[in-house]
Amino acid sequence: SYELSQPPSVSVSPGQTASITCSGDKLGDKYACWYQQKSGQSPMMVIYQNTKRPSGIPERFSGSNSGNTATLTISGTQSVDEADYYCQAWDSNTGVFGGGTKLTVL
Amino acid sequence: EVQLAESGGGLVQRGGSLRLSCAANGFTFKTYGMNWVRQAPGKGLEWVSYISSSSGTIYYADSVKGRFTVSRDNARNSLFLQMNSLRDEDTAVYYCTRDLGIAATITCDYWGQGTLVTVSS
Repeated sequence: SYELSQPPSVSVSPGQTASITCSGDKLGDKYACWYQQKSGQSPMMVIYQNTKRPSGIPERFSGSNSGNTATLTISGTQSVDEADYYCQAWDSNTGVFGGGTKLTVL
Repeated sequence: EVQLAESGGGLVQRGGSLRLSCAANGFTFKTYGMNWVRQAPGKGLEWVSYISSSSGTIYYADSVKGRFTVSRDNARNSLFLQMNSLRDEDTAVYYCTRDLGIAATITCDYWGQGTLVTVSS
């Protein structure tokens, strides 16, 4: 079955750029989504179709997807961005989520 | 404003059954595919099932295939998940999500608040 791998944790200083990777076989041939989940809340989509931002998502969130890796980039990271982030793709009529990355802003 | 409200969760014995519901408001429900996604306590997200707008296309995760059944009632703006033969590993918060409708993928653009299912012996 298809798998997506994410680093368990990423740390970033306020104002700096955070990059969260998601790896999967030929992931670049698929569409990748990214979801943010803050503590005690439901997930929220922050990037879809590899690079698109839903309405209301700040411009500091961006995405890319090529080869075997999709990347969520948060520029000028703020304390409010501290959350768990999950990538997601679709393979063989099955939804697949990465294991999640805890972003710490310190 | 898009609103999704799950209900029907609770404590159920191993091997038992439970039916979850999701009430949708704020959008034309009959034109959107929908998903169920779950999250075990302290764990990550797991996709469970997808149903197309007309119910003509349905997919399940291998972990629930043959035990769970997804359905919808477009007249009542409602999504359902019938869960049978429940196992300990089905314990999770279950979210219903609206699907954005992009071809060849699922894209969960709105999520409900979730309903907790606890399977106990």
